[in-house]
Amino acid sequence: ETGVTQTPRHLVMGMTNKKSLKCEQHLGHNAMYWYKQSAKKPLELMFVYSLEERVENNSVPSRFSPECPNSSHLFLHLHTLQPEDSALYLCASSRVAGRYEQYFGPGTRLTVT
Amino acid sequence: AQSVTQLDSQVPVFEEAPVELRCNYSSSVSVYLFWYVQYPNQGLQLLLKYLSGSTLVKGINGFEAEFNKSQTSFHLRKPSVHISDTAEYFCAVSDQAGGTSYGKLTFGQGTILTVHP
Repeated sequence: ETGVTQTPRHLVMGMTNKKSLKCEQHLGHNAMYWYKQSAKKPLELMFVYSLEERVENNSVPSRFSPECPNSSHLFLHLHTLQPEDSALYLCASSRVAGRYEQYFGPGTRLTVT
Repeated sequence: AQSVTQLDSQVPVFEEAPVELRCNYSSSVSVYLFWYVQYPNQGLQLLLKYLSGSTLVKGINGFEAEFNKSQTSFHLRKPSVHISDTAEYFCAVSDQAGGTSYGKLTFGQGTILTVHP
């Protein structure tokens, strides 16, 4: 595998479910990011990790819980979501947090019913 | 705080015609600039970047962009488009942060380019 991978690609969950999104980067980068992409809205930065330490939490509700066990893996744990949380969730990585270009995964299309 | 404005939400063009997608930004400090492309049901792919040096940058798929500091613009151009260029294009800006601070990457709202035969 190369670049940034995300699983699952599609997820349908009820509001009472608990699920997790997974991201893995094979680029040797030190920073990883979660973004939310909703229809007709700009990409929203959710979380930033630099060397496994969270450096940005962009006022995201607590029903979204990130985890970065090492610099190659990033998770987004989901619980008691709302229908308005339905969106494309994108993971990205970069060599250094906030500098240089970011490389994106294909995203997870989340639908909350 | 920084912001990015993509002046056109949709740009329709015919195949083999030239195209320009406009992007303006505002920031109180020096910036890095990027253009990304997103095809349906896919993530964002980096087209090109401006970090420093020459203000005319060339990217993949025949695209280029010019950084104009006085007009705070970073417009994307292609002299002859193909059907396969149909996608959504995002302009993004990041502060040239130093020290332990980090520069947030801010995206524009996107421009949908539709190439007609």
